[in-house]
Amino acid sequence: DTGVSQDPRHKITKRGQNVTFRCDPISEHNRLYWYRQTLGQGPEFLTYFQNEAQLEKSRLLSDRFSAERPKGSFSTLEIQRTEQGDSAMYLCASSLQPGQGSYNEQFFGPGTRLTVL
Amino acid sequence: KNEVEQSPQNLTAQEGEFITINCSYSVGISALHWLQQHPGGGIVSLFMLSSGKKKHGRLIATINIQEKHSSLHITASHPRDSAVYICAVRSYGGATNKLIFGTGTLLAVQP
Repeated sequence: DTGVSQDPRHKITKRGQNVTFRCDPISEHNRLYWYRQTLGQGPEFLTYFQNEAQLEKSRLLSDRFSAERPKGSFSTLEIQRTEQGDSAMYLCASSLQPGQGSYNEQFFGPGTRLTVL
Repeated sequence: KNEVEQSPQNLTAQEGEFITINCSYSVGISALHWLQQHPGGGIVSLFMLSSGKKKHGRLIATINIQEKHSSLHITASHPRDSAVYICAVRSYGGATNKLIFGTGTLLAVQP
């Protein structure tokens, strides 16, 4: 257990439905990252937050995707009008920010596996 | 061509064998990570390197910055080492701290 939790661990949904995932980072970590991992591939960066500010979004993050971190603690990732191509493992990671020690090290949650039928 | 390449993609070993997994990258980096992912998804950080060599138990990681290459070695391999091993780099100058990942090496250690 890395201290980062994600909920749910598995989600099966029908195409066109909306889904929302939650990530709870390590409490003192300012930075929170979302990654997506498809079968047989390494994770790909989606977006990251420093505190409550979303500072970068990948071009992989289409208009159907939105992420929030309203109080700088937990984060949610919502996918609207899901498509079969959205089926993947969605990983969350957290880290300290620069100047706070080992800021390069990211701690990963267990992931949410999404299956879109 | 991916910015981070790993080899081999799949590796089967007998218990006790010495294992090497290689990682090559094409971008300037400030750090390289070796990660372990078990079935079910959870990722655990094994090493973070910016130069030289690190050792933790039976695991050894090395990096050659000039050649843009890193290796992960497992000595006296054990079936519990079976997992996907992923190399990831943090590109130099990036403020994001985001990681660029290789596709992973699936290791199976047979008893």
